[in-house]
Amino acid sequence: GESVGLHLPTLSVQEGDNSIINCAYSNSASDYFIWYKQESGKGPQFIIDIRSNMDKRQGQRVTVLLNKTVKHLSLQIAATQPGDSAVYFCAEGVGGSNDYKLSFGAGTTVTVRA
Amino acid sequence: SQTIHQWPATLVQPVGSPLSLECTVEGTSNPNLYWYRQAAGRGLQLLFYSVGIGQISSEVPQNLSASRPQDRQFILSSKKLLLSDSGFYLCAATLRASYGYTFGSGTRLTVV
Repeated sequence: GESVGLHLPTLSVQEGDNSIINCAYSNSASDYFIWYKQESGKGPQFIIDIRSNMDKRQGQRVTVLLNKTVKHLSLQIAATQPGDSAVYFCAEGVGGSNDYKLSFGAGTTVTVRA
Repeated sequence: SQTIHQWPATLVQPVGSPLSLECTVEGTSNPNLYWYRQAAGRGLQLLFYSVGIGQISSEVPQNLSASRPQDRQFILSSKKLLLSDSGFYLCAATLRASYGYTFGSGTRLTVV
């Protein structure tokens, strides 16, 4: 769902540890999910996506897990680095409609400790 | 791949002044276009989206308006800015057949 007016939760992680960022989505009809990374003063950048016919997808140092039963999405970052410090947003969408829109989660601020 | 251009990067405007932010898209045709606002330390709020030239849908009643005079041009405007219009404005695009958004680099607007 949308994150209007919500303050962002935070996650502090030691450099080298694994990070897990969680997201609850709202629409049972959503069939596409994306994680974005937003560094300070910049626009969000695509990290990884997953479609509803999958429950896990791996990228470089990142893994997205999807649990449709409880409408939960997570992003795992392996061996977290200082460059991973950013705000992370999950997004959900229903494909195929002409007025396609993504709904963004509240976002999580990740701070990596040296 | 598509590229989103937004300008200006930063803008300081007095209360009551007009606003015009421009977004242009390269590398694709007939995209869906979106304007989002992000207040400091907060999430993304969808303001407007467009599925074609001259077609604008408003998500939140406010002091702003949007226009799409050309296929790959999306403009966010205001006749009289309010202090509450301050924020980080992001333009995004997606192909109808695709699902991911590409975001521009954003405009930091401060109304004083």
